[in-house]
Amino acid sequence: DGGITQSPKYLFRKEGQNVTLSCEQNLNHDAMYWYRQDPGQGLRLIYYSQIVNDFQKGDIAEGYSVSREKKESFPLTVTSAQKNPTAFYLCASSQGPGNQPQHFGDGTRLSIL
Amino acid sequence: AQSVTQLGSHVSVSEGALVLLRCNYSSSVPPYLFWYVQYPNQGLQLLLKYTTGATLVKGINGFEAEFKKSETSFHLTKPSAHMSDAAEYFCAVSDRNAGNMLTFGGGTRLMVKP
Repeated sequence: DGGITQSPKYLFRKEGQNVTLSCEQNLNHDAMYWYRQDPGQGLRLIYYSQIVNDFQKGDIAEGYSVSREKKESFPLTVTSAQKNPTAFYLCASSQGPGNQPQHFGDGTRLSIL
Repeated sequence: AQSVTQLGSHVSVSEGALVLLRCNYSSSVPPYLFWYVQYPNQGLQLLLKYTTGATLVKGINGFEAEFKKSETSFHLTKPSAHMSDAAEYFCAVSDRNAGNMLTFGGGTRLMVKP
């Protein structure tokens, strides 16, 4: 079955450490997205990529970085500059115009040790 | 810029009762509209969407929503709640002129009492 795979499911970070969250899709979608979700809040866009080798900052990009070297992969690095990284991170992908929905992975929960 | 407002961060209903989750948007042009459901520690799953045509759209699990342009609303309903409907629900809009970027509401947590 086609879908989006995020790994790991749970991740722990020490102070001052960078960590990378994986997102892989086999839906052949051009666009991919990273969202952050905090308790009781909606989803906030971190970064998005509409095509390979190109990506754009979302609303809360500070302290994060991404790459898009392959169509199926869009890893997110949470750097030590992100002072409050504890959150649930969701990756999504979509294809075509705006009337097509985004498809989501099952998320990665990041916590600080 | 678009915005999405979901009235009521928490809604509690009894099993078998009507479910009504409210969503209002602000946009100069009627957007594409989506409802997603999220179960604990999972991603978002599409319930239904409105893009064009009939304003009453049916989705999975017995949910439906009606697009009302005059009220800039897209409320989600289900005639009879089941315990399995307990989850968080998100309304989202996509600007017709901005590809498939989504703006999400803050979410509504639905609790179903036995």
